[in-house]
Amino acid sequence: ETGVTQTPRHLVMGMTNKKSLKCEQHLGHNAMYWYKQSAKKPLELMFVYNFKEQTENNSVPSRFSPECPNSSHLFLHLHTLQPEDSALYLCASSQGNGGMWGYTFGSGTRLTVV
Amino acid sequence: EDQVTQSPEALRLQEGESSSLNCSYTVSGLRGLFWYRQDPGKGPEFLFTLYSAGEEKEKERLKATLTKKESFLHITAPKPEDSATYLCAVQTMLGQSGGSYIPTFGRGTSLIVHP
Repeated sequence: ETGVTQTPRHLVMGMTNKKSLKCEQHLGHNAMYWYKQSAKKPLELMFVYNFKEQTENNSVPSRFSPECPNSSHLFLHLHTLQPEDSALYLCASSQGNGGMWGYTFGSGTRLTVV
Repeated sequence: EDQVTQSPEALRLQEGESSSLNCSYTVSGLRGLFWYRQDPGKGPEFLFTLYSAGEEKEKERLKATLTKKESFLHITAPKPEDSATYLCAVQTMLGQSGGSYIPTFGRGTSLIVHP
């Protein structure tokens, strides 16, 4: 286990469903991130939280809604998704800017929208 | 706009056949360059951070180097367990947001090492 835990590992949802992805870290990191990874594309940053405050929203559609109740937990609420939203969603954490030790990633949630 | 290009897109090696992966970048104000390894069905795993041209770092069979325009990940005498996708990311001053320097990732190089 990497220290960043994501649940569920796999999720299939219809376009009218509402679901949430969960991320948890107990590394004492102060920053948490949501990334989207699609086939043959670079990792796309979605949201950044520093000390529970959202500091980046990378032009993400409003059907994705993040929540960070404390520095250890991060959620991504999903509603009325489109098939093109099917991807691997990765959560990551870092201490500060993640320079010396980089980011610690979870194993991701494989999302399929049908 | 920052650009990170990794090559080759895919690489097949025989066990013991050394080679190098390339990450070229065109960014302003490089703050750090990262290498990650990603296994299928898992998230990326941090390998190295390089900060300045001329810097080198090693870990087992991997050695990362950095110049002003590119970084190389050298793999010496690879084994099948080195098979993975290797990702490069650059972190720049312009990417700063609320205290976070946001890295830009490349598309990765998929490495397969045959026994």
